[in-house]
Amino acid sequence: QEQLVQSGPEVKKPGASVKVSCKASGYTFTDAFLHWVRQTPGQGLEYMGCISPNNGGTNYAQKFQGSITMTRDTSISTAYLEVTRLTSDDTAIYYCTRDRDGGFSFDPWGQGTLVSVSS
Amino acid sequence: QSALTQPASVSGSLGQSITISCTGTSSDIGNYNYVSWYQQHPGKAPKPMIYNVNNRPSGVSNRFSGSKSGNTASLTISGLQAEDEADYYCNSYRDGNTYVFGTGTKVTVL
Repeated sequence: QEQLVQSGPEVKKPGASVKVSCKASGYTFTDAFLHWVRQTPGQGLEYMGCISPNNGGTNYAQKFQGSITMTRDTSISTAYLEVTRLTSDDTAIYYCTRDRDGGFSFDPWGQGTLVSVSS
Repeated sequence: QSALTQPASVSGSLGQSITISCTGTSSDIGNYNYVSWYQQHPGKAPKPMIYNVNNRPSGVSNRFSGSKSGNTASLTISGLQAEDEADYYCNSYRDGNTYVFGTGTKVTVL
């Protein structure tokens, strides 16, 4: 069963950084792009960007360029999202999700990681 | 990077059909057949319901169907059931090798 399991909730102070992990299982990690999506409290889904687990290449949505970094460790089938210079506006649930076979849609999804930013 | 436009809420009675619209531009929906739809219940991760405009993943009820005309995509739920009450989001591939979500629609079953 293809599955993405994310790291636990985080509480950070403004100005700090956070690194969220996403561990893949049930398929070959390098076979499909991984994407990150965030959902702010009571709001909708927002696309952040993606990483190729095969070569580490990344493509970030314009809004997040300069404030996020996506990496991966193929030895443990895990992708990471680091968000820097956190503000209260970054309080959100962060989801990882994978390219569906054939691409251009997202399946499966991780369970989400809540990141709370508060002084 | 503006989001795709969806109605904030749609409601229908048990057994009825409802349609949720998703309006984009010629840079996304109008230029690509890569529209997908996701259902999200409170406190849960999104669940894929439709991909590539009108295809259902394995296990998704055939009461869910998708279509597209020009810059607007639609999700139709027929035979509305209580468990269909949830938030629904459309998504499209967009010029520049990126993706964009819709604003989301809350479906209420009366």
